[in-house]
Amino acid sequence: DGGITQSPKYLFRKEGQNVTLSCEQNLNHDAMYWYRQDPGQGLRLIYYSQIVNDFQKGDIAEGYSVSREKKESFPLTVTSAQKNPTAFYLCASSVTWGPSNQPQHFGDGTRLSIL
Amino acid sequence: ELKVEQNPLFLSMQEGKNYTIYCNYSTTSDRLYWYRQDPGKSLESLFVLLSNGAVKQEGRLMASLDTKARLSTLHITAAVHDLSATYFCAVSPSGSARQLTFGSGTQLTVLP
Repeated sequence: DGGITQSPKYLFRKEGQNVTLSCEQNLNHDAMYWYRQDPGQGLRLIYYSQIVNDFQKGDIAEGYSVSREKKESFPLTVTSAQKNPTAFYLCASSVTWGPSNQPQHFGDGTRLSIL
Repeated sequence: ELKVEQNPLFLSMQEGKNYTIYCNYSTTSDRLYWYRQDPGKSLESLFVLLSNGAVKQEGRLMASLDTKARLSTLHITAAVHDLSATYFCAVSPSGSARQLTFGSGTQLTVLP
């Protein structure tokens, strides 16, 4: 079955450490996204990618970095510059970038906490 | 800046009752999405509303869109416990690419 796989499900970060969250999709979608969700809040866009080797900052990109070397993969690195990384991180993908009647599809998320 | 407001933020209702969740947004949009999220889980797409007057129904849920009023509603009919979840609306501004802005969510609890 096609879908989006995020790993790990839970992740703990030490002070000053960079950590990388994995996101893989086999839906053959061109566009991929990373969102952050804090308790009791909606989703906020961190980064998005329309095509391979291209990505753009979202609303809260500071302290994060991404790469898009393959269509299927869009890993997110939470750097030590992100002072409040504790949150639920969701990866999503969509068929295309641009107006569409197809929704974004979401992975199961990674819950990141600080040790 | 696009703002998306949902209300209520919290909703407890008895099984069998009807209720409506509201989603207001601050700029023109020609597409609006409703998602469901169970605790600790991912988001599941419920509806995609693409034009003024659009109405979609799935089981006990019905969503509508009024682009002139910049308002979408999610109506729950004869609620059952399985509908307990958090419901989000998300808006894509007209003419933009697919950057969505999410509301804060409505946490629905259906009581027996």
